[in-house]
Amino acid sequence: AQSVAQPEDQVNVAEGNPLTVKCTYSVSGNPYLFWYVQYPNRGLQFLLKYITGDNLVKGSYGFEAEFNKSQTSFHLKKPSALVSDSALYFCAVRDQTGANNLFFGTGTRLTVIP
Amino acid sequence: DGGITQSPKYLFRKEGQNVTLSCEQNLNHDAMYWYRQDPGQGLRLIYYSQIVNDFQKGDIAEGYSVSREKKESFPLTVTSAQKNPTAFYLCASTGRVSGANVLTFGAGSRLTVL
Repeated sequence: AQSVAQPEDQVNVAEGNPLTVKCTYSVSGNPYLFWYVQYPNRGLQFLLKYITGDNLVKGSYGFEAEFNKSQTSFHLKKPSALVSDSALYFCAVRDQTGANNLFFGTGTRLTVIP
Repeated sequence: DGGITQSPKYLFRKEGQNVTLSCEQNLNHDAMYWYRQDPGQGLRLIYYSQIVNDFQKGDIAEGYSVSREKKESFPLTVTSAQKNPTAFYLCASTGRVSGANVLTFGAGSRLTVL
């Protein structure tokens, strides 16, 4: 069965510093991986995805993620954090049974400190 | 603008009552989903529908029911059999982006049982 894990409930970073939000995955074949962001009392918004190809994926709002097959990781990164990046971030993996569902991690709350 | 509309945004229910959450999309998406979000648990799939007049149970379907009579609409009923219904409910639909499905989410409905 596929799953994702987000080992950190909370990440704090100073404005202007680089940020990393961690995600590891477990799948039996090639993974389809996603990052979503949620602002307070809102639905989730798609940031980026990895299907195949380059291990470094670029997405919305200056975010990128690095796929590492040997470490089964898909960490979200941004070179310079903004206060407006403060939100809840979810990693997800696509169901490989053909139903196209997503399995989500438990989320990481990112706080960017001015 | 194309998107997903969930209503009501906030809903209060007495124990023993059924309530129905509305989800409407004008994105012409075939698949629709209902997720439940609880603090620290991420998103859990309740039901999903890949085509009209067909739907499948997700991981936590007990105490919930759905219908899919129209492509645009996927209402969720929270029945009195759901033991702990207080939560944030998210509706989503799937479109095709570069060969992989990406979920588009509504803004959510917050249900509180009094």
